[in-house]
Amino acid sequence: DTAVSQTPKYLVTQMGNDKSIKCEQNLGHDTMYWYKQDSKKFLKIMFSYNNKELIINETVPNRFSPKSPDKAHLNLHINSLELGDSAVYFCASKYGGTDTGELFFGEGSRLTVL
Amino acid sequence: AQTVTQSQPEMSVQEAETVTLSCTYDTSESDYYLFWYKQPPSRQMILVIRQEAYKQQNATENRFSVNFQKAAKSFSLKISDSQLGDAAMYFCAYRRLYSGGGADGLTFGKGTHLIIQP
Repeated sequence: DTAVSQTPKYLVTQMGNDKSIKCEQNLGHDTMYWYKQDSKKFLKIMFSYNNKELIINETVPNRFSPKSPDKAHLNLHINSLELGDSAVYFCASKYGGTDTGELFFGEGSRLTVL
Repeated sequence: AQTVTQSQPEMSVQEAETVTLSCTYDTSESDYYLFWYKQPPSRQMILVIRQEAYKQQNATENRFSVNFQKAAKSFSLKISDSQLGDAAMYFCAYRRLYSGGGADGLTFGKGTHLIIQP
């Protein structure tokens, strides 16, 4: 039973297209995140949501739009894809109450823009 | 802003030997968490070990232990009896501790690629 699941795992698309990555967690957590891992493996936070409310929005182009329909889901929509958007995108979650600090990660979605 | 520095881009160790991965961080906070995550070729991010800054005792998890030096802002990971399955990228990470939860994410170092020589 996967705790944090992302779909799709792999995505290959052309420049200029619009694509979405979906994330679902079944851990009962109320805080969710999107991270981007670039080609050098550096992990950087993009967004965080707490109870469906956007909390953190790092310096990310506004072509990236997160949406949280409920506490268990956080989707990432990317418009007008560019070559530089090629990366692995990780969804993560944590419990907002008794905080052990740890984030639970999905398996990542590798996006390749051609 | 908090920063996490891993000064070793790559480390190599013989199977069954011990290796230490270095991590330093910078913060003005007094309460925080530190973590080591492992990322094998499968890409999954796996928590290896966690340390709360208010705890003086170094965390241990089986073959994995840390040397936490709060004053020096240093948090190294020691892997004993290295196994082939330990080969992975290892990321040091920081997170501020909130009494009521908080939505801050983790700040990661750039990672150390650990190679295990058979």
